[in-house]
Amino acid sequence: QPVLTQSSSASASLGSSVKLTCTLSSGHSSYIIAWHQQQPGKAPRYLMKLEGSGSYNKGSGVPDRFSGSSSGADRYLTISNLQSEDEADYYCETWDSNTRVFGGGTKLTVL
Amino acid sequence: EVQLVESGGGLVKPGGSLRLSCAASGFTFSSYSMNWVRQAPGKGLEWVSSISSSSSYIYYADSVKGRFTISRDNAKNSLYLQMNSLRAEDTAVYYCARAAAYLIDYWGQGTLVTVSS
Repeated sequence: QPVLTQSSSASASLGSSVKLTCTLSSGHSSYIIAWHQQQPGKAPRYLMKLEGSGSYNKGSGVPDRFSGSSSGADRYLTISNLQSEDEADYYCETWDSNTRVFGGGTKLTVL
Repeated sequence: EVQLVESGGGLVKPGGSLRLSCAASGFTFSSYSMNWVRQAPGKGLEWVSSISSSSSYIYYADSVKGRFTISRDNAKNSLYLQMNSLRAEDTAVYYCARAAAYLIDYWGQGTLVTVSS
């Protein structure tokens, strides 16, 4: 089954942009993933599904500031015009061989 | 509006049992596969189990196989997780989640399960 690798932490300044990465393991570079946001003390929230082509489909109410892109085995989540409420943990997710897999999560700090 | 509301969490002793429920509304429950995902304190998300729309296909993480049982009642728009032989490492917030085209697209608010003597 695939392994999803994420950096443990990232930081960026208020009003700037940040690009988070989720890397699929070898042999799984074509897989579709989902991105989820978890603000402190809250349940996760679905952000988008992201294909290997870079095409993405956002969830209801997700701001335009959130976008996705892909390159090879890498899946990216870009957040533009960072707001304080974007400080959260971000997880990627995929499904294969009857198993659901999550990345370890990236903790985003807004400076 | 899609809503998933979990209940049934609480404090249980090691070796004990607990049954979680998830009440779904705002969508055609019988058309979607459903999932349980947990999060231990201070840790990341861990998939627990999935069940297809008609209960034909059921899958478990190795960590809970043989101890947990997922089920659903489409007439009641409800999802369940029967947890037996609970261990300290099962302590976590348990989330109910809907999946569309294999990936999760809605989450519940979670219910806390604490396994401790």
